[in-house]
Amino acid sequence: QKEVEQDPGPLSVPEGAIVSLNCTYSNSAFQYFMWYRQYSRKGPELLMYTYSSGNKEDGRFTAQVDKSSKYISLFIRDSQPSDSATYLCAMDIIQGAQKLVFGQGTRLTINP
Amino acid sequence: DAGITQSPRHKVTETGTPVTLRCHQTENHRYMYWYRQDPGHGLRLIHYSYGVKDTDKGEVSDGYSVSRSKTEDFLLTLESATSSQTSVYFCAISESRLTSGLQETQYFGPGTRLLVL
Repeated sequence: QKEVEQDPGPLSVPEGAIVSLNCTYSNSAFQYFMWYRQYSRKGPELLMYTYSSGNKEDGRFTAQVDKSSKYISLFIRDSQPSDSATYLCAMDIIQGAQKLVFGQGTRLTINP
Repeated sequence: DAGITQSPRHKVTETGTPVTLRCHQTENHRYMYWYRQDPGHGLRLIHYSYGVKDTDKGEVSDGYSVSRSKTEDFLLTLESATSSQTSVYFCAISESRLTSGLQETQYFGPGTRLLVL
């Protein structure tokens, strides 16, 4: 069983829809949770991060962490075609080097 | 983009040949990482470095070695390439943790596409 599970999709939604992306994890030592966005043939770029349970909002993006359920989510409001990308969740235990454990990535397409 | 370059960007090689990938940073960050990305697996950590000449293994280190002789350069070597090492390889960098324990962002390079025939 992978430490971090993420539905690979693909996920296709119309422009303006609310998108929900999710990851589950098994290691209760994870304390740092991130979402990366990766455009085709590019390196991942950090979208959001959080250290604790609860919600964190940044513009149209909201990251949600539920440590009791070992479940994290990324919500995208008013989705745009430019949001079409692969979204990867990543986690770390915050000890020593930043050895991220990634989910498989969800490929998202926003249709105009 | 953070100042990270990877070379080569594309490479085709034959099974059994040695291959070296280079990561160069201009940010003077302490930590450097090598990941591989494969369908169905996301990114997996191969090796990382926490300083010049200081390296350690990641999740999928078998068949790979690394070296870091300067802060700005981190080399990944496949001693004898195999078809299972066909992948996209990403280098990443991050700065030291602050004393408060907060994380610093990990920045990724553009990737190297390696095909082993």
